[in-house]
Amino acid sequence: DIQMTQSPVSLSASVGDRITITCRASQGISNYLAWYQQKPGKVPKLLMYAASTLLSGVPSRFSGSGSGTEFALTISSLQPEDVATYYCQTYSSAPRTFGQGTKVEIK
Amino acid sequence: EVQLVESGGGLVKPGGSLRLSCEASGFTFSYAWMSWVRQAPGKGLEWVGRIKSTTDGGATDFAAPVKGRFTISRDDSKNTLFLQMDSLKAEDTALYYCTTGPATVPRGIWGQGTLVTVSS
Repeated sequence: DIQMTQSPVSLSASVGDRITITCRASQGISNYLAWYQQKPGKVPKLLMYAASTLLSGVPSRFSGSGSGTEFALTISSLQPEDVATYYCQTYSSAPRTFGQGTKVEIK
Repeated sequence: EVQLVESGGGLVKPGGSLRLSCEASGFTFSYAWMSWVRQAPGKGLEWVGRIKSTTDGGATDFAAPVKGRFTISRDDSKNTLFLQMDSLKAEDTALYYCTTGPATVPRGIWGQGTLVTVSS
């Protein structure tokens, strides 16, 4: 089974900062990688799929990159409403494993 | 409106069974590959299993912790997805979501979740 490892586990940054979350797959998954945002007490929200394709309505400050085993989610200018836990997920094959999550807070 | 609505959660004793349902609306359910994802209290997201569309063969796959105990099925005539959970354990306690996932159109649709508590 493919393992997904996110880093860091948590981060604290200031409003306006550029932040990057990384996700590493234990084997190559091409670009079959999705990113989710989950705010406290809320249902997860799909931000992007195919590693870098943003869903309609997702702010352009969010971007994704990577292919193979190394991926990244970047927020170019952190906003208060971005406080959430972010998860990566592979969907190249079953099981469609999630990363353990990265909790983003405002400093 | 595109929507998924789960039901069937509740309190069950260890070793017991429960059947969750997920009713879809607003999209062509019969074409959709559907997944179940769970989240234990205070923990991260855990993929449970998936069923392909009937036209794609309807095969199912499961995460290791639930394989052999959980079954996924679908009734396309009723736009409904099911998760049959048998031999339940305390560690199955979680909020269970159904979702279209990132690959099926419409992408990223999630229900509100249904809570399963396994306790004596």
